Amino acid sequence: SQKIEQNSEALNIQEGKTATLTCNYTNYSPAYLQWYRQDPGRGPVFLLLIRENEKEKRKERLKVTFDTTLKQSLFHITASQPADSATYLCALDIGGSQGNLIFGKGTKLSVKP
Amino acid sequence: EPEVTQTPSHQVTQMGQEVILRCVPISNHLYFYWYRQILGQKVEFLVSFYNNEISEKSEIFDDQFSVERPDGSNFTLKIRSTKLEDSAMYFCASSENGQGGNGELFFGEGSRLTVL
Repeated sequence: SQKIEQNSEALNIQEGKTATLTCNYTNYSPAYLQWYRQDPGRGPVFLLLIRENEKEKRKERLKVTFDTTLKQSLFHITASQPADSATYLCALDIGGSQGNLIFGKGTKLSVKP
Repeated sequence: EPEVTQTPSHQVTQMGQEVILRCVPISNHLYFYWYRQILGQKVEFLVSFYNNEISEKSEIFDDQFSVERPDGSNFTLKIRSTKLEDSAMYFCASSENGQGGNGELFFGEGSRLTVL
């Protein structure tokens, strides 16, 4: 079955630095991969989607890479701010026709001022 | 900005009772989903719904679960006889397109279910 891992449960960085989060997957070749942000007690909020034929995607201070050979995605937040503190979830489509996703457990990012 | 709304925000129930969780998806969306998240664990897919029928469901979505779109706006999840292990946050989500489109899911804020 598909397996998705986010290597760090928690990541602490200083304000202004770049945060890099990792998502690895096995036993599958997804058509796309998504990143979501989740704040405590809230629902996930979509950030970025990257397709299998795309190497990199950017949105403001966010950048996502997708390496289908390594089966890995990296998620970068540049010039991080305390407001970026949250849990970031990686999600893959599970091959169904309706956009169903499997999620990683998430990485909790803390940005210290 | 349009959003997915869920009610109730928190429900406490006794084991064995029936529970209905309600969702109003974004109005022009065609695909509807339920996910759940047990405290401290990952978000898990339960079921997807399109064109008034279930399109896919996970192993978690057994005979105790059912979904319904009783009118043009609501989408409900029913748990027939709740168990302690059903305690979780249940998220409704909707999408304008399925896999062929952007694939972005819009999630509601969740309904926290506590089974005693």
